[in-house]
Amino acid sequence: DQQVKQNSPSLSVQEGRISILNCDYTNSMFDYFLWYKKYPAEGPTFLISISSIKDKNEDGRFTVFLNKSAKHLSLHIVPSQPGDSAVYFCAAPGRDSNYQLIWGAGTKLIIKP
Amino acid sequence: ETGVTQTPRHLVMGMTNKKSLKCEQHLGHNAMYWYKQSAKKPLELMFVYNFKEQTENNSVPSRFSPECPNSSHLFLHLHTLQPEDSALYLCASSRTQGLDYGYTFGSGTRLTVV
Repeated sequence: DQQVKQNSPSLSVQEGRISILNCDYTNSMFDYFLWYKKYPAEGPTFLISISSIKDKNEDGRFTVFLNKSAKHLSLHIVPSQPGDSAVYFCAAPGRDSNYQLIWGAGTKLIIKP
Repeated sequence: ETGVTQTPRHLVMGMTNKKSLKCEQHLGHNAMYWYKQSAKKPLELMFVYNFKEQTENNSVPSRFSPECPNSSHLFLHLHTLQPEDSALYLCASSRTQGLDYGYTFGSGTRLTVV
C-alpha cells in the first residue's frame, strides 16, 4: 500500500521550459512534505519542503505547490536546466511509528538541450 | 563530499560470503539510517539508530545485521545473501530521529549478489 505515489516514472522537458513533477498521497494526516533530488551514483539530496499550513513554497527556480483537498503536490522547476536532469523523490513523514519518511518511487527528469 | 561517507562504493559477493558495509558521518548528527533502493521502487527503510540505540527494524531478514558503535559510525553486516538482495544501499543521517527530515545521504554501496 503506497501512501506516497509518483505515477510518472520519467519526464522529458526541453531546456528553458517548465518542469512539473507530481506526487499524490493517500493519508490526509500527512502535514509535511519534502522533495529530494538524486543524481546517478550519488545519494539523494534534500531540495525543498512544504508544511501543510502553506500551499506554496518557493526557493529560486524551485516551487512546490500543495493541494490538500486533492492530496496532491507538485514541484515546478523554471527554467529547466541540463543540471536538473536527475531522479526526484517525494516524501512525507509517516504518522505512525517514529514518523519515518515514506517515499515515492521517484520520477526521472530528463532535460533536453 | 556530502558529509556522509559510505564504503565500499561497489561490492560483488557470493551467496556464501560475509561482508560489511560502512557508513561514517562527522556532522554531529545523532540519528543514522540504512535504506535499500531497488530499481523503480521507493526507498525502503531498513534500520534506524537514534543516539546509538536501534529504534527501527522494518522486518528486515536476519541476514542483514546492523551495528552502531557510536553516533558517527554505522555498519551493515551481510551474510548468506540472496540475488534479490542486489540493490543500492544508502546510509543517511539527521540531527535527531523524528525532528529533522533534511537527511544527509551517502553516495551508497552498489551491492551485487551472485
